[in-house]
Amino acid sequence: EVQLVESGGGLVQPGGSLRLSCAASGFTVSSNYMSWVRQAPGKGLEWVSVIYSGGSTYYADSVKGRFTISRHNSKNTLYLQMNSLRAEDTAVYYCARASSLERFAFDIWGQGTMVTVSS
Amino acid sequence: SYVLTQPPSVSVAPGQTARITCGGNNIGSKSVHWYQQKPGQAPVLVVYDDSDRPSGIPERFSGSNSGNTATLTISRVEAGDEADYYCQVWDSSSDLWVFGGGTKLTVL
Repeated sequence: EVQLVESGGGLVQPGGSLRLSCAASGFTVSSNYMSWVRQAPGKGLEWVSVIYSGGSTYYADSVKGRFTISRHNSKNTLYLQMNSLRAEDTAVYYCARASSLERFAFDIWGQGTMVTVSS
Repeated sequence: SYVLTQPPSVSVAPGQTARITCGGNNIGSKSVHWYQQKPGQAPVLVVYDDSDRPSGIPERFSGSNSGNTATLTISRVEAGDEADYYCQVWDSSSDLWVFGGGTKLTVL
């Protein structure tokens, strides 16, 4: 079965760090474009970051310089290292696959993991 | 950066047709995708590349894209279609993905 399972969310103080994980099954992370998308409570979807199959990475301006996307090929897992966290980073974080067969639409999503930044 | 504009809400009676718009500068030159999100759930892709449907998505869901407006059309609306809908594009010139603000579809 093709699926994504996120983990690593939780409560963290402002200025702190957290690393999210996204374990994939049924397909190969390193062969795909993989992204993180977040959703603040009661708000819309916000794209956060992408890592291309070739390894290039890109970020939304709101997280550039603070967040780092990466992957572990042998574990078939995607990561998001989040540093210098702010209250406005509080959100559900989803990992998603951007399918080249569907013009890079996000065809597979995880269930999400909640990150709360608060003192 | 590229901006996508959606109406905050659309209401429609069961059995009628709902149209949700997504505005953007020359959006007709881009590939537009649409997602459905129900409360407490992850988004689900319902239309990709302007007008194609993933397997398992009913034919009642269709899309179009021209000029400065893309449209998601839901025919014969059912109570189960009540959800938030988001449009999205990939801005290949900047390698950024962009979502619209979302539209809440209410089935009266």
